[in-house]
Order: sequence, then C-alpha cells, then structure tokens
Amino acid sequence: GEQVEQRPPHLSVREGDSAVITCTYTDPNSYYFFWYKQEPGASLQLLMKVFSSTEINEGQGFTVLLNKKDKRLSLNLTAAHPGDSAAYFCAVSDNTNTGKLTFGDGTVLTVKP
Amino acid sequence: AQTIHQWPVAEIKAVGSPLSLGCTIKGKSSPNLYWYWQATGGTLQQLFYSITVGQVESVVQLNLSASRPKDDQFILSTEKLLLSHSGFYLCAWSRGTGGSQNTLYFGAGTRLSVL
Repeated sequence: GEQVEQRPPHLSVREGDSAVITCTYTDPNSYYFFWYKQEPGASLQLLMKVFSSTEINEGQGFTVLLNKKDKRLSLNLTAAHPGDSAAYFCAVSDNTNTGKLTFGDGTVLTVKP
Repeated sequence: AQTIHQWPVAEIKAVGSPLSLGCTIKGKSSPNLYWYWQATGGTLQQLFYSITVGQVESVVQLNLSASRPKDDQFILSTEKLLLSHSGFYLCAWSRGTGGSQNTLYFGAGTRLSVL
C-alpha cells in the first residue's frame, strides 16, 4: 500500500525565516495531495489541496509544490511568524470513492520571535 | 454550509469502562464518514470509514467498533477501555466520489484519557 514519508519531524526557525517540509510517497497512482495544519490542542485544518502533475499553489504566506515525477510534495512557509507554530501533515489520496487518505507522520514547526 | 459536530469534547474514563463517542454531519447528504485516532506524539491512524448507512469498514480495530445508524451520524464505541485507548479521536467527512471530493474535513475532536 501507499507509504508517505514526511521530513523533518521537528523544525525550529526564527521569525521571518523560511521553513520547508517535504513528503515523499510511493504509489504512482496517487491522485490528490493535501496539507493540513494542526494547532496545539486543536483539530486538523485544511491548508491546501493540489493534483496537477507539477504544480505550485500559493496560499497566504506559503507555497505548495507537487512533483509527480519525483513523487514529492513540499510545503514552503516563505516568511514564518509565531502564529505558524503548529503541526503540519501531508496526506495523499487515490481516486477511488473510499476517500482513503494516507498521512505523513507530521512535522512540528516552532517559530521563535 | 456543512458542519461537523463531535461529542463529548473530552472524557476521563477508567480502564474497563465502556465508551461511546459521537459525530454528526449537517448540510451534506450521504457523506463518507471516518474515525481517526491520534496518539500523543501526533501520528494519525485511520480506524474506520463508512460510505453509507449501516456499512462500516474497519481499517485498524484497536478493540473498538463503529456504527453508522443514520446517514448523518457515526458512533465509535467499546465495551472495555484499555489504557492504550487514550488519545485524540477525530471524526471526518468527505464527499467521497473520488479526486478532490476525497478532501477530508475534520471535527474538533474528542480528547480521551483512560486511567
């Protein structure tokens, strides 16, 4: 089955620095890709979803890059601030209607003032 | 707009006692429903999913069971709690017809402490 490896497990940066989290997956039939944010003690919040073969999506303060050839998904926070401190999870989905997502193990990001 | 409500928000239970956690979705008919468990330390584990009323598929049981008695309701339960059941339980829904419809939307979660 699908395996998703997420790196790094912990990341500490200074305010204003960039932070990059990367996931690699194994199933070439993976179809949709997601990033979720989980603030301490809270539930998971969808940040972005992407699916094109090579795609860059920009959100508020972050960029998501998908490279299907390399089976790699990354989240880049361009200028991190303390409010970005949270756990981030990537997830990979097939195209079936079971909606099964395979999650990475998460990255705990700490942004220091 | 769709809303997902989980109850209770938190539980403290004794080992060996029963447990019932609930989840209700409003504003979406025939959603796919899911139970996830998150141990302290963060890894997410899918426990069960349901595509339709009365049908539940087990992914990892962990001595738990799930039922979908109504289109908009998903229940997680056990008759005897173990210490290892402690953690954060998340209910989620999706449109579940493939592709981007597999996006999961999570409830606020139930934090369970088994003592």
